[in-house]
Amino acid sequence: QVRLVESGGGVVQPGRSLRLSCSASGFAFRSYALHWIRQAPGKGLEWVAVASYDGSNIHYADSVKGRFIISRDNAKNTLFLQMNDLTLDDTAIYYCARIIAMTPAEGDYWGQGTLVIVSS
Amino acid sequence: DIQMTQSPSSLSASVGDRVTITCRASQDIKNFLNWYQQKPGRAPKLLIYAASALHSGVPSRFSGSGSGTEFTLTITSLQPEDFASYYCQHTYSTPPYTFGQGTKVEIK
Repeated sequence: QVRLVESGGGVVQPGRSLRLSCSASGFAFRSYALHWIRQAPGKGLEWVAVASYDGSNIHYADSVKGRFIISRDNAKNTLFLQMNDLTLDDTAIYYCARIIAMTPAEGDYWGQGTLVIVSS
Repeated sequence: DIQMTQSPSSLSASVGDRVTITCRASQDIKNFLNWYQQKPGRAPKLLIYAASALHSGVPSRFSGSGSGTEFTLTITSLQPEDFASYYCQHTYSTPPYTFGQGTKVEIK
């Protein structure tokens, strides 16, 4: 079955960096776009970034543009999110997800999330 | 960027009630609209895609309608397990694929 497992979260000081990983299994990783979506404590969902199936087409939310970098290693079935110059507002659970954007064949699968806390 | 405005932000309802949640897009998004349900401590789950298509395994009491800029999620005969938060999200054209602010459905 499809499985997405995030890792790399933790406590980090403002201005520092953190790299999240999402390990995928149970599907043809190289065939699907993958997203990062986050949720601050007690708040709503915020779409963060997407990498196309081959990583050639990438988009970011304005709130992270210029600070975060999404990438993928299709040989290792892994999605990454490099987060730089972190601020308190980046504190959130970060989900890796395969969502229906253009066609239902994309399916709807989410990881369990990894918690990032930015604190001095 | 396309903005999604969801209303109400919260509502109280009783088991058996009919519940309607509205989502408005800042521009025409055709039918590229998803609805999710999220329970505390859990990842969101897709209910409706393409504005009105019921995702696999989702009970038929959930339905979606609308196109263009106005969309509605309806829950007929609210069940105890439906008390949760609900979010709309557009996936039209180029990202960012913005979410609505969410609607928390609470027990009256």
